[in-house]
Amino acid sequence: DQQVKQNSPSLSVQEGRISILNCDYTNSMFDYFLWYKKYPAEGPTFLISISSIKDKNEDGRFTVFLNKSAKHLSLHIVPSQPGDSAVYFCAASGFGNEKLTFGTGTRLTIIP
Amino acid sequence: DAGITQSPRHKVTETGTPVTLRCHQTENHRYMYWYRQDPGHGLRLIHYSYGVKDTDKGEVSDGYSVSRSKTEDFLLTLESATSSQTSVYFCAISERASGSYEQYFGPGTRLTVT
Repeated sequence: DQQVKQNSPSLSVQEGRISILNCDYTNSMFDYFLWYKKYPAEGPTFLISISSIKDKNEDGRFTVFLNKSAKHLSLHIVPSQPGDSAVYFCAASGFGNEKLTFGTGTRLTIIP
Repeated sequence: DAGITQSPRHKVTETGTPVTLRCHQTENHRYMYWYRQDPGHGLRLIHYSYGVKDTDKGEVSDGYSVSRSKTEDFLLTLESATSSQTSVYFCAISERASGSYEQYFGPGTRLTVT
């Protein structure tokens, strides 16, 4: 049972435009959400997170939105740059739970 | 960058042989994790540790065992490797302090079982 779902395996965006990556979850006990970025032959790196008490968190070009009623979160990257080309994973955790549950990832390609 | 190293970085082994992967951290973080990454599956938790000698199973633990005798080292052992264990293995660490859920990953080990 996939509790965290990234339904788009891939996404292509023109450089300078907005990239929107989506993630859905089914477990209502999740209350903390994270996005990771992964380049080939490297480990995932933490990008940005959001607690369920918020509906938006920004860090530079990256903004994460959380819609708890829809059990949906999205990552916006504005403006998109070639270095943003990578695989993006969303992950979720519940209060007091030391484990993360990851989605299957979305490969983002920024077209120059 | 978090001080996490994994060894070896690449390994090719034959079916039925035992394999041990090592994760070493210099951050003194309490929690350590082993994941495998496979196409179409994302990152799946194999085992994790919440302290020296304290470990627990993840969602794909069959065929794997772990040990943590020191805070800085977390070993993953495949007792008898199978082709289905061909994968990229990542170690991660976490402190879980002040409500932080972030985990920090090592560079990965690519394991091929022939």
